[in-house]
Amino acid sequence: DAGVTQSPTHLIKTRGQHVTLRCSPISGHKSVSWYQQVLGQGPQFIFQYYEKEERGRGNFPDRFSARQFPNYSSELNVNALLLGDSALYLCASSSEPYKNEQFFGPGTRLTVL
Amino acid sequence: ELKVEQNPLFLSMQEGKNYTIYCNYSTTSDRLYWYRQDPGKSLESLFVLLSNGAVKQEGRLMASLDTKARLSTLHITAAVHDLSATYFCAVDMVGADGLTFGKGTHLIIQP
Repeated sequence: DAGVTQSPTHLIKTRGQHVTLRCSPISGHKSVSWYQQVLGQGPQFIFQYYEKEERGRGNFPDRFSARQFPNYSSELNVNALLLGDSALYLCASSSEPYKNEQFFGPGTRLTVL
Repeated sequence: ELKVEQNPLFLSMQEGKNYTIYCNYSTTSDRLYWYRQDPGKSLESLFVLLSNGAVKQEGRLMASLDTKARLSTLHITAAVHDLSATYFCAVDMVGADGLTFGKGTHLIIQP
């Protein structure tokens, strides 16, 4: 069975641009969470979606948004990119939100110049 | 404030030695996770600890959970070079959305 997949694997953008990151959860999993991992730090929670609805939001500015599609895949959008948005963006899937082990994808490495 | 603290943050040790990584968290938790991350890679799940007194072992790694002390430990027995990585604990804390991660312990095991 395929694990969590993310695309693209690497991305280079310039300040002020917009980016869309994509994630497909493990088959049968209905919940997707997004995390940002800055170099040398632990991942920080951005969003959680379940059944296409937002179930949780971390302490990130409104430039960050996400959505989940009927097939449970998800997109993370970041507008007006800043240098500080450079990070590894991780997607995790679980069968339900809360109290379920999360399985992480390979991540998208975003570099903002 | 919801906090997860790991220590040490950096550990260099020799093969064959034993050591323990500590993870303290600030509030009531439903469960605690340990992950491994190799450089430039994603997170690999090692252990899920669900209840007070839980102990799990896989090879040279053993994890335990004390919910009363809000403390988890990851013990490494007779370390080998292949265990060199960054280890994170993450906590499902009551009142928090998503997992709250520690800063990670960067472990280097030297021959």
